[in-house]
Amino acid sequence: QVQLVESGGGVVQPGGSLRLSCAASGFSLTNYGMRWVRQAPGKGLEWVASIRRDGSKNNYADSVKGRFTISRDTSKNTLHLQMNSLRPEDTAVYYCAKGGTTGTCYFDYWGQGSLVTVSS
Amino acid sequence: QTVVTQEPSFSVSPGGTVTLTCGLSSGSVSTSHYPSWYQQTPGQAPRTLIYTTNTRSSGVPDRFSGSILGNKAALTITGAQADDESDYYCVLYMGGGIWVFGGGTKLTVL
Repeated sequence: QVQLVESGGGVVQPGGSLRLSCAASGFSLTNYGMRWVRQAPGKGLEWVASIRRDGSKNNYADSVKGRFTISRDTSKNTLHLQMNSLRPEDTAVYYCAKGGTTGTCYFDYWGQGSLVTVSS
Repeated sequence: QTVVTQEPSFSVSPGGTVTLTCGLSSGSVSTSHYPSWYQQTPGQAPRTLIYTTNTRSSGVPDRFSGSILGNKAALTITGAQADDESDYYCVLYMGGGIWVFGGGTKLTVL
């Protein structure tokens, strides 16, 4: 069965960096697009970044463009989110999500989330 | 900037029917936005309910249904139950690998 397990969250100072990982099992990252979605405390969901199944193109929300990088390690079937120049407003639970089959454009399975706190 | 709109809150009686909507600040929602819906309870990850407008995700009861109503996407819950009390989010695909979530609707069953 599909499982997504995030790790790497924690407390970081403003301006610092953090890398989140999402270990996938039950499917191959080369067959599905993957996304990161975040949720600030008490707020709604926000799409952050996406990567295509062939790894050819990454996309980012304007709020993180130029600071965050989505990538994957297909040998380990693991998705990453490198977060640089972190700001207090980046404080959130970060979820990785698996895309559906081609042409469905939705978030199929979700990880349990990893909390990132940006604070001095 | 594209804004996806949802009712902030809604209330339904047990056994009743409720329709939550998902609109665009400018323009109409269509099937080309591949609207999908997610249910979330406090402290939990979202659960996928509906995708590509009206396809139920695996294991989702058939009292949840999706549609396009007028210029909005809609999620209808028929025969609401107490454990349907949750936050509901829609998301629209804007093309080019970009999605926009609505602000969510807090559904109360009482």
